[in-house]
Amino acid sequence: GEDVEQSLFLSVREGDSSVINCTYTDSSSTYLYWYKQEPGAGLQLLTYIFSNMDMKQDQRLTVLLNKKDKHLSLRIADTQTGDSAIYFCAEMDQKLVFGQGTRLTINP
Amino acid sequence: DTGVSQDPRHKITKRGQNVTFRCDPISEHNRLYWYRQTLGQGPEFLTYFQNEAQLEKSRLLSDRFSAERPKGSFSTLEIQRTEQGDSAMYLCASSLAAFTDYGYTFGSGTRLTVV
Repeated sequence: GEDVEQSLFLSVREGDSSVINCTYTDSSSTYLYWYKQEPGAGLQLLTYIFSNMDMKQDQRLTVLLNKKDKHLSLRIADTQTGDSAIYFCAEMDQKLVFGQGTRLTINP
Repeated sequence: DTGVSQDPRHKITKRGQNVTFRCDPISEHNRLYWYRQTLGQGPEFLTYFQNEAQLEKSRLLSDRFSAERPKGSFSTLEIQRTEQGDSAMYLCASSLAAFTDYGYTFGSGTRLTVV
């Protein structure tokens, strides 16, 4: 079945890069997404990558996809305090399947 | 369009009572999804509709849960005889199609507390 795994916590210093990793199981996933959830707020789509792509860059965000290893990563350059949130990886087959989320904490 | 709206934002109910939540999707979206999120977990799929047809239900959706989308617009999720384990955030989302590069648009959720 579908399963998405993420590490639960990541702590970085302000200004450094953050790398959040995700593995998934469904090789037929067409799209893979990164969502952001701030405290008390809903899920906000950050970026996506189509399954035939290896990389996608969008301003401070870089998504890397290794389809052979079913590994997805999100790199946030120049991490700011406003980036503190929970980040969810999600794969799309017939519906979105989410990982547990990675809580990103920024240290001054 | 103001996005996906959910009502109420918060609901506190006593164990054994019935509760109903409402979701108003983005008007041109024909797909509507319900997810449940508990503390420290990612959203878990419950069910989805294409127009008024309920196309899939998760095994998580026990017989006490029922969802409807009578006219293919808004949807309701009812939980009968609530249990403490039903306490969670219930998220609604909508999309224009099954496979999209913008994923789903989520509402802010209804937080249910069963006491």
